[in-house]
Amino acid sequence: DVKVTQSSRYLVKRTGEKVFLECVQDMDHENMFWYRQDPGLGLRLIYFSYDVKMKEKGDIPEGYSVSREKKERFSLILESASTNQTSMYLCASSPATATGELFFGEGSRLTVL
Amino acid sequence: GDSVTQMEGPVTLSEEAFLTINCTYTATGYPSLFWYVQYPGEGLQLLLKATKADDKGSNKGFEATYRKETTSFHLEKGSVQVSDSAVYFCALISGGYQKVTFGTGTKLQVIP
Repeated sequence: DVKVTQSSRYLVKRTGEKVFLECVQDMDHENMFWYRQDPGLGLRLIYFSYDVKMKEKGDIPEGYSVSREKKERFSLILESASTNQTSMYLCASSPATATGELFFGEGSRLTVL
Repeated sequence: GDSVTQMEGPVTLSEEAFLTINCTYTATGYPSLFWYVQYPGEGLQLLLKATKADDKGSNKGFEATYRKETTSFHLEKGSVQVSDSAVYFCALISGGYQKVTFGTGTKLQVIP
């Protein structure tokens, strides 16, 4: 069964901490994405990557960075967490062809105190 | 830029009722359209898709028709079940880019 695995389902961090959210996919997909999901706002794209070591800003990249050192792994980094980054974070992957079908992980719910 | 507008929720229906969730879009070019579903505690998964005008996507009893003239892609099901309770997202991709644009989601609750 194909899978996108996010390392932590629930995290609680303090303001100013550095936070790492990890995502691994086993489908050999070229594209990987990080979204945040907030009530009433739907899914908003933070960053995406279409190849190893490549990254593109999405719609809301401020306060975030990403790392993709291996094809299967895409990390989201909050350099200095703030309370307005409390959210559900969803990782997704897709093959190189832009079909629009994304495969999602179960999400990481981050609370910043 | 591209955008997707879907009806506000939550939508509460009795089991076996007819479901419609409205979705309209704005996009450059000729987008492909999607409905994703998110069951409680899970990530999103693709429910159905349509890649060109007048296409009908269908899956698990759900249907949606790509209407270019009204820029709409409404989701319908003839008889909902309690197990259909979830959040439904309308989405599109256009222009050969990898970015998928999502609507805000509509929560459906089906009561026995």
